[in-house]
Amino acid sequence: NAGVTQTPKFRVLKTGQSMTLLCAQDMNHEYMYWYRQDPGMGLRLIHYSVGEGTTAKGEVPDGYNVSRLKKQNFLLGLESAAPSQTSVYFCASRTYRQGQGAYEQYFGPGTRLTVT
Amino acid sequence: AQSVTQPDIHITVSEGASLELRCNYSYGATPYLFWYVQSPGQGLQLLLKYFSGDTLVQGIKGFEAEFKRSQSSFNLRKPSVHWSDAAEYFCAVASGTYKYIFGTGTRLKVLA
Repeated sequence: NAGVTQTPKFRVLKTGQSMTLLCAQDMNHEYMYWYRQDPGMGLRLIHYSVGEGTTAKGEVPDGYNVSRLKKQNFLLGLESAAPSQTSVYFCASRTYRQGQGAYEQYFGPGTRLTVT
Repeated sequence: AQSVTQPDIHITVSEGASLELRCNYSYGATPYLFWYVQSPGQGLQLLLKYFSGDTLVQGIKGFEAEFKRSQSSFNLRKPSVHWSDAAEYFCAVASGTYKYIFGTGTRLKVLA
């Protein structure tokens, strides 16, 4: 199993450009998440999804859109990139099953995005 | 408000020395608590977790953590640190059914 994969690993954008980050998981997990990581701020939740076709806003959703057309994929879009979106983006997934193991998140390796 | 606090931004220890990383949380119900480790340029890897029961939990790589409800703490410990433990460590609490709150992280440096 590949676990959680993210594409691309690195990207440089100019202000105003758009792009889509792809997250894929092969664990048949129902829940998927997008976080951004900035120095001194830990991980902050951008958007999340509890199932195919459903998404919800997290702590810092402005400037981002997401889609979950297939259970295994969760896409994060930036329609008009801004320097404030320079960050490292992590995707994570977990199962919905009840019980203690259900709460463990599995993280992808991250995408480092720079907006100039 | 729910929160996770990691008071130490940076910690430096000598190889072979013991380690304790602090984590305090604010959460109304029984917390589900986690410690993750992030090596440079990598994603987060789960070290250990606490849901209920024994307040001392064992994790991977020789780490353990103790849940103390009276102090709202979940400190991470290791008896003898190895150079490969140099990384950033994050404490997190599950907030409701879906979400998580992460601390701001503690960066560990290990001196040879």
